[in-house]
Amino acid sequence: AQSVTQLGSHVSVSEGALVLLRCNYSSSVPPYLFWYVQYPNQGLQLLLKYTSAATLVKGINGFEAEFKKSETSFHLTKPSAHMSDAAEYFCAVIPSGYSTLTFGKGTMLLVSP
Amino acid sequence: DTEVTQTPKHLVMGMTNKKSLKCEQHMGHRAMYWYKQKAKKPPELMFVYSYEKLSINESVPSRFSPECPNSSLLNLHLHALQPEDSALYLCASSRGGPSYEQYFGPGTRLTVT
Repeated sequence: AQSVTQLGSHVSVSEGALVLLRCNYSSSVPPYLFWYVQYPNQGLQLLLKYTSAATLVKGINGFEAEFKKSETSFHLTKPSAHMSDAAEYFCAVIPSGYSTLTFGKGTMLLVSP
Repeated sequence: DTEVTQTPKHLVMGMTNKKSLKCEQHMGHRAMYWYKQKAKKPPELMFVYSYEKLSINESVPSRFSPECPNSSLLNLHLHALQPEDSALYLCASSRGGPSYEQYFGPGTRLTVT
């Protein structure tokens, strides 16, 4: 079954530093890819999605992700971290031929002053 | 409006109780989902309704019974739950195709005593 792997269960950055959260998918056919954020005791909020229209996808709150087929990656970045970015981030995939989301294990982003 | 609402926000129930979780969306979405999320884990798919018909049941125990009264509403009926069923229950909706993102509600925090 196709899946996504998120490297690092926790990532720590200082406020103002670059945020890089890694996600690799296992698929020979490009799937549909998504990044979601979850703040404590809340539901999931969609940050951005890749559906083959463009390899660089811009999302909300200054986040963006680049789809790299050669590396089977869809890493999430933000140039400058803010304290309010501290949350759990999930990469998710809808494999080709399917219609349901498969989530990665999540990465907790910690932002220090 | 991209809002999915869920009630109640919190629910505490005994193992012999019967209760229901409710989910509502007014985005005209034709697919609705129930997920279960344990602490520090990604959401796990439980049920999918497509055009008001149950299309996916991920081998969920019969003490969980979903219902889709109309295209805007989704219920999850609970009966004779176990303490290990305590979790955050998330509802989501989407247009239904694989390229369409899912919008999540804030969840119901369920505690089974």
